Amino acid sequence: DQQVKQNSPSLSVQEGRISILNCDYTNSMFDYFLWYKKYPAEGPTFLISISSIKDKNEDGRFTVFLNKSAKHLSLHIVPSQPGDSAVYFCAASAQGAQKLVFGQGTRLTINP
Amino acid sequence: EAGVVQSPRYKIIEKKQPVAFWCNPISGHNTLYWYRQNLGQGPELLIRYENEEAVDDSQLPKDRFSAERLKGVDSTLKIQPAELGDSAVYLCASSFGLARDEQYFGPGTRLTVT
Repeated sequence: DQQVKQNSPSLSVQEGRISILNCDYTNSMFDYFLWYKKYPAEGPTFLISISSIKDKNEDGRFTVFLNKSAKHLSLHIVPSQPGDSAVYFCAASAQGAQKLVFGQGTRLTINP
Repeated sequence: EAGVVQSPRYKIIEKKQPVAFWCNPISGHNTLYWYRQNLGQGPELLIRYENEEAVDDSQLPKDRFSAERLKGVDSTLKIQPAELGDSAVYLCASSFGLARDEQYFGPGTRLTVT
């Protein structure tokens, strides 16, 4: 039962263009969402988060959008840079659950 | 500030052998997590500690896995005996408080069971 799904295993984007990574969830109790970024041989690092009371959160080049009715969130990276090449994980938690549920990850490659 | 430290980084063992992983969380972080990440998947929580207490071990296969966090700091995760399906990356993470807070991950231990 995959409660958080990232349906695109990989994404390739030209440097300077926009990268859009998508994530879908099934559990309507999820009310807090996070994106983590992972380089090879390193642990995931926190990137950005959003609460369900918002529909957008922005931090520099990174913006997360939340569509609660569609149970969908997306991460936008503008402009994309070579250092953004990594695996991106979407994660979600429900109030009181004290537990993160991760998606399968999307490998982003930024081409020069 | 030092990050989450894990050792060993890599481990290759034969099936039925025991193995142990060690984690030192960020100083002051009272919550510690062990995750397992299978190839092509996201991390899955095995156990969560708040200080010395294991508050969520529902996903820990208790027949062969055990964990401890003595004195509420370092933690050890053990598998005995290991099976082929245990091959994965074992990640340790820590946070200052609740799971919703930013979790800081260590580099992980890549276990290969042959």
